[in-house]
Amino acid sequence: DGGITQSPKYLFRKEGQNVTLSCEQNLNHDAMYWYRQDPGQGLRLIYYSQIVNDFQKGDIAEGYSVSREKKESFPLTVTSAQKNPTAFYLCASSMVGGLIAGELFFGEGSRLTVL
Amino acid sequence: GENVEQHPSTLSVQEGDSAVIKCTYSDSASNYFPWYKQELGKRPQLIIDIRSNVGEKKDQRIAVTLNKTAKHFSLHITETQPEDSAVYFCAAPTGDKIIFGKGTRLHILP
Repeated sequence: DGGITQSPKYLFRKEGQNVTLSCEQNLNHDAMYWYRQDPGQGLRLIYYSQIVNDFQKGDIAEGYSVSREKKESFPLTVTSAQKNPTAFYLCASSMVGGLIAGELFFGEGSRLTVL
Repeated sequence: GENVEQHPSTLSVQEGDSAVIKCTYSDSASNYFPWYKQELGKRPQLIIDIRSNVGEKKDQRIAVTLNKTAKHFSLHITETQPEDSAVYFCAAPTGDKIIFGKGTRLHILP
């Protein structure tokens, strides 16, 4: 069953703690993305990666970090430096990226709440 | 920076009527324009897309039109049904990023 899997679905964190959100895909896609979704704000790009061992900052990268050690995995760490981390986080992948991008396939999302 | 603007933010239409959502983009190099639908509590899913070498694409009750000169594209839904109620997002690539509009919440009224 091919697709993109995010975990956990719900996560609670205390202020000052780092937390890592998992994103795995078995679609053999090159490009992977992390978006943050807040009410009325649409989908804002945090980080993206076109190829293994390479990634770039999106529009709201401050307070986040990522790694791309394997093609199928693109974990996102929300650090204590992120001032307002409570949000819905969506991971996505596409066969290729950039101006030749095609359909994005999204995971089911991870809802992070900071207590 | 490059951006994608989407209007309206909320749209209510009577069941059976048509709905139109518009997006403008700033990067003239953008060449791929998708529309995603996100139902409540679910992930966004692609419903239709268009590449810059065509001006219109249709799939049953939904269509997308593109005006590259004016840098805008629109989603048209005809004969709306209750299951069309959702949030719709447009997107466009800029450089090697994919940027989304802020979304339109579509309400279908009985």
